[in-house]
Formats: sequence, structure tokens, C-alpha cells
Amino acid sequence: EVQLVESGGSLVQPGGSLKLSCVASGFTFSNYWMDWVRQTPGKSLEWIGEINTDGSKTNYAPSIKDRFTISRDNAKSTLYLQMSNVKSDDTAIYYCTRTHTYYGYFDYWGQGVMVTVSS
Amino acid sequence: DIQMTQSPASLSASLGETVTIECRASEDIYNGLAWYQQKPGKSPQLLIYNANSLHTGVPSRFSGSGSGTQYSLKINSLQSEDVASYFCQQYYDYPWTFGGGTKLELK
Repeated sequence: EVQLVESGGSLVQPGGSLKLSCVASGFTFSNYWMDWVRQTPGKSLEWIGEINTDGSKTNYAPSIKDRFTISRDNAKSTLYLQMSNVKSDDTAIYYCTRTHTYYGYFDYWGQGVMVTVSS
Repeated sequence: DIQMTQSPASLSASLGETVTIECRASEDIYNGLAWYQQKPGKSPQLLIYNANSLHTGVPSRFSGSGSGTQYSLKINSLQSEDVASYFCQQYYDYPWTFGGGTKLELK
């Protein structure tokens, strides 16, 4: 059974930093691109970015480029999202997702982790 | 960015009814479209990919259709467990983008 378990969410002050983790199980993690998607309190979904199988290539949404960094450790089957210079608009539930091998849709999602940016 | 416009934003239907949700892209996305279901308090789950292919384990009462810029999700014989929000997503061009969602309730 595919499982994605996020952790690391918390309350963080504007301008601060936070690192989210996602531990994967039930599939060969190193064979899949992985993505982060967030859902704002208004309930809309926003793609954040993705990383390829060996971690050598990433793509990001223009709205977060240069503030967030996606990385992975295939030996630990873990995906990361490093968030820097966070803003109140970054308040959201953050989901780790597995991406289909050839297409950019998300075939499995984690349970999500809450990040609140507030002073 | 490709804009995805979903309609309606909310929908109320009776058990056994057929429901259709629409998604319009701001440009041709060549069937690069997925539909997700999100039940209250849960994460989204994949229903349909490539506009009309059913994901593993999804009941056959769900179906997707469309082409070009216009796509739809149909739910036949609505069940109580279908109460959820539904989102479309395009993956034809970066950045991947989602529709605003449709909240489906029972009448």
C-alpha cells in the first residue's frame, strides 16, 4: 500500500523558515518524480513544485520560486520542502504527492501538514 | 499560466441522480487533465486522468470526457459517499494548475 506521511508543520513567524518532510513507503521511491501541493484556507489547490527521480532536476511555481527548495533522500525514501522567507499567504495545508511516471498528475497524496504563518 | 475554470462552484443533488461538473481551460490542454475527489477532512484522491481514464479502484459510476479546452466529470447514480469537493487539474504545461473546485452536497 502506497503511503506518504508528512511532518514538520507548525506556526512560523513571517520571514522565518521551516522544513517539511514526507516519508514514503509501499513503492520504490527512487523510481518516481515527487511533488508538493498546498491548499489554502479558502480551499483552492496550488502546485508548488516537483523533483525528478534522482534529485538533479526541480521545477517550481513562479509564485514561490527562490523561496522554497525541494529535495529528496532516496536512501531514506524521504521528500523535503525547505521554506524560507515565509509570508502570511503561505499559510496552508501542504501535501506531498507521488507523480505519475510520464504525466504530471498526482496518483497518491499524503494526509497533509498544516503550516501557519503569523506573528 | 493556463487558467482552469470550474462550474458550478457548488451543487446540490439527490441520491441516484446524475451529476455533471465542467472544467474549462484557457487554452487547449490536449487531454492533459485529471479529476480529484476530496472528502471533508481528507486529502484529495485521484479519480480520472488523461481526461477519461479511470484510476485504479474508482467506481465505474465516475466518468470523464472532453477535449481541447472543455472537459467534464460525470457521476451516475449519485451515492451518499460521493459528497465531496471535486477539482480538475491540467498537466499539459507548467505550472500545473487546478480549478477552483466544486462542492457537491446531497439535496
